Amino acid sequence: DTGVSQDPRHKITKRGQNVTFRCDPISEHNRLYWYRQTLGQGPEFLTYFQNEAQLEKSRLLSDRFSAERPKGSFSTLEIQRTEQGDSAMYLCASSTSSRDTQYFGPGTRLTVL
Amino acid sequence: QKEVEQDPGPLSVPEGAIVSLNCTYSNSAFQYFMWYRQYSRKGPELLMYTYSSGNKEDGRFTAQVDKSSKYISLFIRDSQPSDSATYLCARPFHLFTGANSKLTFGKGITLSVRP
Repeated sequence: DTGVSQDPRHKITKRGQNVTFRCDPISEHNRLYWYRQTLGQGPEFLTYFQNEAQLEKSRLLSDRFSAERPKGSFSTLEIQRTEQGDSAMYLCASSTSSRDTQYFGPGTRLTVL
Repeated sequence: QKEVEQDPGPLSVPEGAIVSLNCTYSNSAFQYFMWYRQYSRKGPELLMYTYSSGNKEDGRFTAQVDKSSKYISLFIRDSQPSDSATYLCARPFHLFTGANSKLTFGKGITLSVRP
């Protein structure tokens, strides 16, 4: 098991473009979280899946953001019509419901020009 | 008021120093707190967690919760250059949940240990 992986690691896009990020959690982890981290801040919760069900969404997640976890394994986070304010590190984390540990991936750093 | 406030940094110490990192929290109902370590260009990793008041020790690291003053501390003894990282305090967002649930983080403090 190689841990949580995220792809791409870096993304540079122009304002107004759509971007999609992928997260592969640790196998058999039924919980998957997306967080956003800006410079000098701690991670902020965006959304959470239990298996394929999206159970909670932050108010930070505007209508331009959508996340899916279609088969309860990998997840995608799409941002439509990107804005400069979307520039951040997008972190994915996974956990089980039985162990008190949440494992984070390396993140996808998004830069919107 | 943010639920978890963390001392601003950065912090630079010489190798071998004792480091004290602190956070305050506002809601006394929460008893479960975590410290995460984040190296540059990496995701956070769980370093330690504590429940209720008291100390928890793991090698050179000690986590302490003082419920009366709503203070969370992480002490690093014999600090090493490899300890140079950003340290984030966190707690579960919801009561009665743990480190495998939705988390709320402090801003983090960047520690640099000089050789």
